[in-house]
Amino acid sequence: DAKTTQPPSMDCAEGRAANLPCNHSTISGNEYVYWYRQIHSQGPQYIIHGLKNNETNEMASLIITEDRKSSTLILPHATLRDTAVYYCIVSFRSGAGSYQLTFGKGTKLSVIP
Amino acid sequence: GAVVSQHPSWVICKSGTSVKIECRSLDFQATTMFWYRQFPKQSLMLMATSNEGSKATYEQGVEKDKFLINHASLTLSTLTVTSAHPEDSSFYICSVPLETQYFGPGTRLLVL
Repeated sequence: DAKTTQPPSMDCAEGRAANLPCNHSTISGNEYVYWYRQIHSQGPQYIIHGLKNNETNEMASLIITEDRKSSTLILPHATLRDTAVYYCIVSFRSGAGSYQLTFGKGTKLSVIP
Repeated sequence: GAVVSQHPSWVICKSGTSVKIECRSLDFQATTMFWYRQFPKQSLMLMATSNEGSKATYEQGVEKDKFLINHASLTLSTLTVTSAHPEDSSFYICSVPLETQYFGPGTRLLVL
């Protein structure tokens, strides 16, 4: 799987948009970009994923550059409960969905009141 | 998405004893489950892939005789830490793959 590079930490003011960057310059054509987050002492929580196009769901938006070498996760209105470690992962998807995820160090996002 | 539970949520045991951790897929039948381990202030590391009806696949450096995995049904995988030692103290997390991976809440193990 391609490796990713994320800043180790970021701060964001409550109510503002949080923009978390991720570099994945070695991504291959059929690898997806996944974002998960882990709140302290809990299991990781799926946020969003995409292949080429930008994606949006009830939690966040994912912006993938045209060359697919980087992406940005956007939390439109950060709350204190969004304080967590955010992981950007690139991975293949098998037909059965039994793909592996390799977690890096992620970005620790602190939402400040 | 899938709802995944783990039991127990935390456990303290004496060195040399064995501990069993359960991972259940509550609303989805899973032929595959993944087991991860996370040490303090570190990221998740994949330990093994649990396969229903067949042997688990272990990642390099993970002792299969120490970390016994059984996936006897489509909704239950168990991880048994045999002859636990203090260095096995960690946060153990399972996941179920669907269109994405859904993770359990984790089990915190402390070996005294």
